[in-house]
Amino acid sequence: DAKTTQPTSMDCAEGRAANLPCNHSTISGNEYVYWYRQIHSQGPQYIIHGLKNNETNEMASLIITEDRKSSTLILPHATLRDTAVYYCIVRGNNAGNMLTFGGGTRLMVKP
Amino acid sequence: DTAVSQTPKYLVTQMGNDKSIKCEQNLGHDTMYWYKQDSKKFLKIMFSYNNKELIINETVPNRFSPKSPDKAHLNLHINSLELGDSAVYFCASSSSGGVGAFFGQGTRLTVV
Repeated sequence: DAKTTQPTSMDCAEGRAANLPCNHSTISGNEYVYWYRQIHSQGPQYIIHGLKNNETNEMASLIITEDRKSSTLILPHATLRDTAVYYCIVRGNNAGNMLTFGGGTRLMVKP
Repeated sequence: DTAVSQTPKYLVTQMGNDKSIKCEQNLGHDTMYWYKQDSKKFLKIMFSYNNKELIINETVPNRFSPKSPDKAHLNLHINSLELGDSAVYFCASSSSGGVGAFFGQGTRLTVV
């Protein structure tokens, strides 16, 4: 069972920041927050992950609240190619820990 | 170079047939997975293989069997195919303590 709650869908204007929220109130101390996205007809793509500190890479930023019960994925300048389903997943970091996908958020970037 | 590759990309077959989907990763990862994505788009874990040992096996029919000839390959064999097996199957791989899993592009299986 997925341990996260995300809005079903969101819209974002092209060029604007897309902020995708995720609730994970039952996250345990050794579990990381992962974000993946799936563009239509493609395999899921890793975006970013974090434990408790905020993280940034070339794709996105991840903001995790101090109590770790929620997080926000930020795409700083959304493009049309960012239209996808975004999945927030909590997962331990040991060998064999699987990614359990929920329903995700369908982000539509509009011109 | 493709990190995780699956073949074939599309597979159409009749009910009752036996088929295989191949997966190879060139990332040196020690764990490989198979996921199923049904028509409702939910991604469900099927199998996880670590160092050639099955360590997680979700409640999938025993008609499905993963086979790993070596650490870089995890093939999915399906016997006596049924209409409900129609879905997109994704292979993935990861390493212990790594940045998460890398996925292949999927195999769309259609059973007619």
